[in-house]
Amino acid sequence: AQSVTQLDSQVPVFEEAPVELRCNYSSSVSVYLFWYVQYPNQGLQLLLKYLSGSTLVESINGFEAEFNKSQTSFHLRKPSVHISDTAEYFCAVSGVSGGYNKLIFGAGTRLAVHP
Amino acid sequence: DAMVIQNPRYQVTQFGKPVTLSCSQTLNHNVMYWYQQKSSQAPKLLFHYYDKDFNNEADTPDNFQSRRPNTSFCFLDIRSPGLGDAAMYLCATSRDRGAGGYGYTFGSGTRLTVV
Repeated sequence: AQSVTQLDSQVPVFEEAPVELRCNYSSSVSVYLFWYVQYPNQGLQLLLKYLSGSTLVESINGFEAEFNKSQTSFHLRKPSVHISDTAEYFCAVSGVSGGYNKLIFGAGTRLAVHP
Repeated sequence: DAMVIQNPRYQVTQFGKPVTLSCSQTLNHNVMYWYQQKSSQAPKLLFHYYDKDFNNEADTPDNFQSRRPNTSFCFLDIRSPGLGDAAMYLCATSRDRGAGGYGYTFGSGTRLTVV
């Protein structure tokens, strides 16, 4: 069975500083990996995803994540954060379980960007 | 724009009084999911519909039921809400059960308060 571990429940950072949100997964089969972002009282929005090919994937708002199969990690990074990046970030793995695709989430990391 | 819409955004119900949450989609996706998200926790899958085929997660309480009268709509019924059922309820869709690489599209959620 697949599982996801987000190593930090909260990450405080100053504006314009770099940030890394860590995610490790476990799976015995090939997986697809995702990062979702959730703003207060909102649903989840897809930030980026890894399906295959290049291990570095990027989003349109400056985030990137690197798939590392040997370390079973999919850490999210941004070189310079903005106040507006303050949100909850969820790493997720998608794999076939019980005959159908299931999306399994980590517990989330709350990113707090301070001026 | 094609999207997933949840109504209402906020719902207050009395302890033990049945309540129904609504989800509609214009994506024409085959699969619709209901997740429960409690404060500072990962979303937890309750059940999903693949077309008209209902699939319950093993640990979903009997108090939670769902209906999907057509492709576009899916309802979550809580027969006797308890205080522990207060949470954000998220509806999501995906093109197909095997299409893990597409990820899910989420609605904005309904925050349920039980008084």
